[in-house]
Amino acid sequence: GEDVEQSLFLSVREGDSSVINCTYTDSSSTYLYWYKQEPGAGLQLLTYIFSNMDMKQDQRLTVLLNKKDKHLSLRIADTQTGDSAIYFCAESMESKSTFGDGTTLTVKP
Amino acid sequence: EAGVAQSPRYKIIEKRQSVAFWCNPISGHATLYWYQQILGQGPKLLIQFQNNGVVDDSQLPKDRFSAERLKGVDSTLKIQPAKLEDSAVYLCASSLARDQPQHFGDGTRLSIL
Repeated sequence: GEDVEQSLFLSVREGDSSVINCTYTDSSSTYLYWYKQEPGAGLQLLTYIFSNMDMKQDQRLTVLLNKKDKHLSLRIADTQTGDSAIYFCAESMESKSTFGDGTTLTVKP
Repeated sequence: EAGVAQSPRYKIIEKRQSVAFWCNPISGHATLYWYQQILGQGPKLLIQFQNNGVVDDSQLPKDRFSAERLKGVDSTLKIQPAKLEDSAVYLCASSLARDQPQHFGDGTRLSIL
């Protein structure tokens, strides 16, 4: 998506932490989302953060939001081979969501 | 809770033919979305419904695409006539209300020959 930018690829070793980064342009966004897409499947909602928060933790997932820089990150602790997928960042404002083009995460054993 | 159901999973047609996709959202979800996802890209919104009314169809190519949600539950998306550039995965999503997290179906993969 032209308003949401993500790096295309990330490769990590099993057990390491993964950090996937995203930048967005609309400072009026109310929610920011992370979705996971496995081959042949739709997008699975992983987590989301409201724009007035700067951090959210949910088990192995940590989301950090820097509103000043319009930067969002997703950290996956203890990455497993089952985490291999495409991860999409999305911003939402007035119920309209704009998605990035996804980051392909490859986890090597 | 049953998820968003879509059918068919795959469809292959020739250009200039017509095709229709069906979506059944999560029970009780008022908002329904249709997205187009071209290979290597993120989903792009085609149309958004709130109950049976259209909220946003600004990105829908209305000369060939149409969608309806007559009873505020199931929805159909139609393409007539199809073009080669319509080859994509068509994803349906629903949410409890506007500006709530969206839940996606597994999509329909459309190939145009």
